[in-house]
Amino acid sequence: GDSVTQMEGPVTLSEEAFLTINCTYTATGYPSLFWYVQYPGEGLQLLLKATKADDKGSNKGFEATYRKETTSFHLEKGSVQVSDSAVYFCALRSGGGADGLTFGKGTHLIIQP
Amino acid sequence: DTAVSQTPKYLVTQMGNDKSIKCEQNLGHDTMYWYKQDSKKFLKIMFSYNNKELIINETVPNRFSPKSPDKAHLNLHINSLELGDSAVYFCASSQGPFTISGNTIYFGEGSWLTVV
Repeated sequence: GDSVTQMEGPVTLSEEAFLTINCTYTATGYPSLFWYVQYPGEGLQLLLKATKADDKGSNKGFEATYRKETTSFHLEKGSVQVSDSAVYFCALRSGGGADGLTFGKGTHLIIQP
Repeated sequence: DTAVSQTPKYLVTQMGNDKSIKCEQNLGHDTMYWYKQDSKKFLKIMFSYNNKELIINETVPNRFSPKSPDKAHLNLHINSLELGDSAVYFCASSQGPFTISGNTIYFGEGSWLTVV
């Protein structure tokens, strides 16, 4: 079945540091890939997505590239802010008879001033 | 204008009670979902409905019963609540089911259920 593996953290960085959160997946067919973010006490918000190989999703300074050859969708940001502190979820949606999202376990990111 | 709204946001109740969580989406989507987030933040799908018809029913106790009166609403009813049901429950919606995997799934703000 489908699965998503991501570093669980917590990941603690200083403000303005470079961020990478690794995400790899296993899926049948050609899934679409997503990053969602959950700020403290809030719901899930879509951060970015990519629907086919080599697509790059980007939003709010975050980027992730759909790498089919390495089955990865790593999240990056060049300079993080305290306000980026949240839990980040990598997810896939494979379609083709199955629905909904398969999530990774989430990565708790803490940015210190 | 909240796209996916669910009520209540917080619910504290005693074991053995029956409770419902309501969800409404104003996006005109065909498909709605319920997800459960456990204490370790792990998210797992419980149910999905497409045009009021059940599509996915993951392995959840039959104490959990979704009801979709129309395609804009998907309510979750839970009978005989147990301590282990304490979690955050997220409603979500999407345009179309599994034919287009790239369609985004939009989530509500969550309902924090605590069973004491």
